[in-house]
Amino acid sequence: QKEVEQNSGPLSVPEGAIASLNCTYSDRGSQSFFWYRQYSGKSPELIMFIYSNGDKEDGRFTAQLNKASQYVSLLIRDSQPSDSATYLCAVKITNAGKSTFGDGTTLTVKP
Amino acid sequence: GAGVSQSPSNKVTEKGKDVELRCDPISGHTALYWYRQSLGQGLEFLIYFQGNSAPDKSGLPSDRFSAERTGGSVSTLTIQRTQQEDSAVYLCASSSPDRAYYGYTFGSGTRLTVV
Repeated sequence: QKEVEQNSGPLSVPEGAIASLNCTYSDRGSQSFFWYRQYSGKSPELIMFIYSNGDKEDGRFTAQLNKASQYVSLLIRDSQPSDSATYLCAVKITNAGKSTFGDGTTLTVKP
Repeated sequence: GAGVSQSPSNKVTEKGKDVELRCDPISGHTALYWYRQSLGQGLEFLIYFQGNSAPDKSGLPSDRFSAERTGGSVSTLTIQRTQQEDSAVYLCASSSPDRAYYGYTFGSGTRLTVV
């Protein structure tokens, strides 16, 4: 079992729809959780982090964390073609330690 | 600097040669990480430096790989006797406690091709 697993994708949604990206992790002691966006040929860019159970909203993005279910998700509302990218889920066991990344889910938003 | 700087951006080397990859983190960032990403794959952890602590080398795939960080700033990743399976994009990232709970800022990467 991988430490961090994401929907295999690819995921395709129409412009204006909600895109839902999911991630599960194996270590119940994990402390902090991140979503990175990676455009083709570019480096990953941090877009969200969350460390408490519940929802965290930032503009069109909402991160959701359920530690009991070991589940993290990212919702993108009013999806735009510019959101088309690979989204990487990352998990830290300790806040200052290294992140373990999932393999990513590729999202395509169709105009 | 304003961002994480990596050099070279591209490196083509012959099998069996040694290569050095450089990372200059954001000024003041205490944590520095190396990952590699093969085509279409996720990020594979290599090594992590935090302040003056001993580095976490648990991700280095073989003893051909080594890294150092001088003066708590610039880091060099060295791959000796390169093999074709070493071909990948090598990403450096830095972080600090005030950076969104130690979220990473990545450099633009070094694309290594071993021929």
